Amino acid sequence: DAGVTQSPTHLIKTRGQQVTLRCSPKSGHDTVSWYQQALGQGPQFIFQYYEEEERQRGNFPDRFSGHQFPNYSSELNVNALLLGDSALYLCASSERETGTGVGYTFGSGTRLTVV
Amino acid sequence: AQRVTQPEKLLSVFKGAPVELKCNYSYSGSPELFWYVQYSRQRLQLLLRHISRESIKGFTADLNKGETSFHLKKPFAQEEDSAMYYCALSSWGGYQKVTFGTGTKLQVIP
Repeated sequence: DAGVTQSPTHLIKTRGQQVTLRCSPKSGHDTVSWYQQALGQGPQFIFQYYEEEERQRGNFPDRFSGHQFPNYSSELNVNALLLGDSALYLCASSERETGTGVGYTFGSGTRLTVV
Repeated sequence: AQRVTQPEKLLSVFKGAPVELKCNYSYSGSPELFWYVQYSRQRLQLLLRHISRESIKGFTADLNKGETSFHLKKPFAQEEDSAMYYCALSSWGGYQKVTFGTGTKLQVIP
């Protein structure tokens, strides 16, 4: 089991562009959560997807949107990129039935640099 | 609102010395508390959770609801404990959102 897989690993975009990040959850997991981790900070919750719907959302603008597919994989889209969007984006998967009580499984992240 | 505070950005201890990484939380309900660890060049991983009351790699953490704290402790630090440690909080049930603290870097000096 490869665990949580994220792609791409690194990305450089220009201010104003749009970006799509991808995540495949751990086998058996049906819930995907996305986090933004700026340098020197802890992960900040963006949103969570379950059954192809956004279930929880953090304090992020509408420029951040997502999608979950029937196979539980997920995408994070960011429109109109700002320099401040430069960060490590983490995907975490879990199993709805057991909840986060057994903890997340994290991917290695996508490093987004906006220039 | 849920909030996690880790007051120390960096904690340096000598090998064999006791370790205590502090974590305080703010949450109106009954929370689930976790410690996550990130070793150099590795992904973030769960270290322990309060509901299991287990000891992992010699680390323990006790939930103190009166002080709203969940400090991570180890009696004798090892060099391999050097890593970034994050305290995290989640609500019970429903669609749970996990909130992380800013993290504490533990540096164990040989």
